[in-house]
Amino acid sequence: AQTVTQSQPEMSVQEAETVTLSCTYDTSESDYYLFWYKQPPSRQMILVIRQEAYKQQNATENRFSVNFQKAAKSFSLKISDSQLGDAAMYFCAYRSRTSGSARQLTFGSGTQLTVLP
Amino acid sequence: ETGVTQSPTHLIKTRGQQVTLRCSSQSGHNTVSWYQQALGQGPQFIFQYYREEENGRGNFPPRFSGLQFPNYSSELNVNALELDDSALYLCASSLVGTLHEQYFGPGTRLTVT
Repeated sequence: AQTVTQSQPEMSVQEAETVTLSCTYDTSESDYYLFWYKQPPSRQMILVIRQEAYKQQNATENRFSVNFQKAAKSFSLKISDSQLGDAAMYFCAYRSRTSGSARQLTFGSGTQLTVLP
Repeated sequence: ETGVTQSPTHLIKTRGQQVTLRCSSQSGHNTVSWYQQALGQGPQFIFQYYREEENGRGNFPPRFSGLQFPNYSSELNVNALELDDSALYLCASSLVGTLHEQYFGPGTRLTVT
């Protein structure tokens, strides 16, 4: 079974600064996806960024980028130029690409990000 | 394009009762997954439905059951409610054959007293 670990329950960052959220995972599979989701107080889970394990290049979406280290099973999220609207709970998630599986998401316990004005 | 919707928004039930939560998939999506998110924790996978059949199940007892309808909407039923069932229940829809990107609804907050 796969597990996802987020060791930072809370993080804070000054507006316009950069912050990095950590995530490690454990799996015996070689083909999978990793995701970062954002959950604001409205509770709606929003996809921030996706990384396919077979791609060596780190994914980037505007101010959001990841550092994917497959051998170390590490998947961190970097938020540049932090904005007040980035304040939310952030979840790291894993999903298998194995055919025949339900392809459900396995989530970490989350990191609560506070953005200070 | 219509997003994932869930009803009701909030619900209060008594221990031992039964509850039905509803989810309407995003337009064009044929797969629905349900997750339970206890306070302060990450979502836990309950089960997934594809073509009206259960397509995978997490570590949840049989009193958690579901349905998927021909229009791909879905229900989550929980029997014999327990206090620990108090949580946010999230529904996510996706389309088989693509990247299986899961799009989440706003959730239903269930409180069991």
